[in-house]
Formats: sequence, structure tokens, C-alpha cells
Amino acid sequence: NAGVTQTPKFQVLKTGQSMTLQCAQDMNHEYMSWYRQDPGMGLRLIHYSVGAGITDQGEVPNGYNVSRSTTEDFPLRLLSAAPSQTSVYFCASSSGQTNEKLFFGSGTQLSVL
Amino acid sequence: AQTVTQSQPEMSVQEAETVTLSCTYDTSESDYYLFWYKQPPSRQMILVIRQEAYKQQNATENRFSVNFQKAAKSFSLKISDSQLGDAAMYFCAYRSAGQGGKLIFGQGTELSVKP
Repeated sequence: NAGVTQTPKFQVLKTGQSMTLQCAQDMNHEYMSWYRQDPGMGLRLIHYSVGAGITDQGEVPNGYNVSRSTTEDFPLRLLSAAPSQTSVYFCASSSGQTNEKLFFGSGTQLSVL
Repeated sequence: AQTVTQSQPEMSVQEAETVTLSCTYDTSESDYYLFWYKQPPSRQMILVIRQEAYKQQNATENRFSVNFQKAAKSFSLKISDSQLGDAAMYFCAYRSAGQGGKLIFGQGTELSVKP
């Protein structure tokens, strides 16, 4: 049981490049979400999904796209990277049951030059 | 919209002593959940403790306990008998009932433990 797996762990991009952060969970969780962590700002929700085929925006969605074609996978796409997207990104999942905790991936450190 | 505020960017405690981390939140909802997460230098997010708003009794987990004041919208974390391994960033988080996967985090408090 691997939990939530994020790849890559580190990435450096040039401004304007695109890339996809991968996230997979093997717990059959319905809820999956992406957060970004910036110093002094905690974690902020980018996008989330309540099941395959269903996604919605969080607090800071601009510049990011998501899709949920399967229960297991929830990739985050940066279409044209900007220096403001330099951050640590976390994927998380939960069953959605009452007071269920979030299971977090190990994070991706992204630098956009 | 709900907000979570941690007003202490940094805290320090002597080993074996007790420290309290503060958290306040703003919401108009009556049914919600509150969490404290620990993030050590490894970057891993570790759930420390959780509290259901409908429960008056404060949650406890070994050396960790909370002081939940619903009317004051306050949710502080007390760490007793602090250990070197407690040094980490601590985040307070809020979740509306029925909003699985959507947490609202505070800014975080960096806790250092002095030997």
C-alpha cells in the first residue's frame, strides 16, 4: 500500500515551459486535491476532485489545469510556467467520510526560472 | 469565506517543557472539523490531532492536546514534555462538513526545541 505517490520530487523549468505533476493513490479514495505551499502562506488549494470526471477550482487555480479520468490519478498541468509558480506542490486524497484525514504525497519542489 | 490565522510565525520551547501554539478561525458554519498538521524538514505532512466542532470535549493524542473554544473560534495546540523530534512547522487547518479534501490552512508556526 503506497498511499499517495507524487512525481517528480524536484523540477526546474524555464519560463513558458509546460509540465505535468503526477499524482496517484491506491486507497480507492474519491477525493483528491492539489495544494501549493509558499513561505508565510501555508498551503493553498489549487484544484480538487470529488470523483472521476469531476473537478473544481480551489483558491488559486489560475495557470493550472487538472483532469480526473480515473479514481487513482489526478495530474496537475502547468501550461506555461511562470516564476510565480515556484512553490512546493502537494497532492492529497481522502475517502471523504466524516472527519477523515487527508493523506498527503511527499511533495514536489518546483522552481521556475 | 472561512479563514484560518496563526499569529505566531515562530515559537521556541525547552526540551521537556510545555508549549502552546495558537490558531483562530473565522466561519459562519456550525458543523466543521479542525486539524493540526506537523511538517518536519522531510516535508511530509503528518496529522497530529483532529477535533469535531460538535464535540465539546477537547481532543488529546498522547502528549498533544487542544483547547477548542467554539464561541471564541479558537483552536490551540498544547505540546507537553516537548521532545527534539517535535521541532517542525505546525499548521492549523479547517474543513467544512461534507467538504472532504478541501482544507483551509493557516500560515504555519515554526517550532524549535532547545536541548
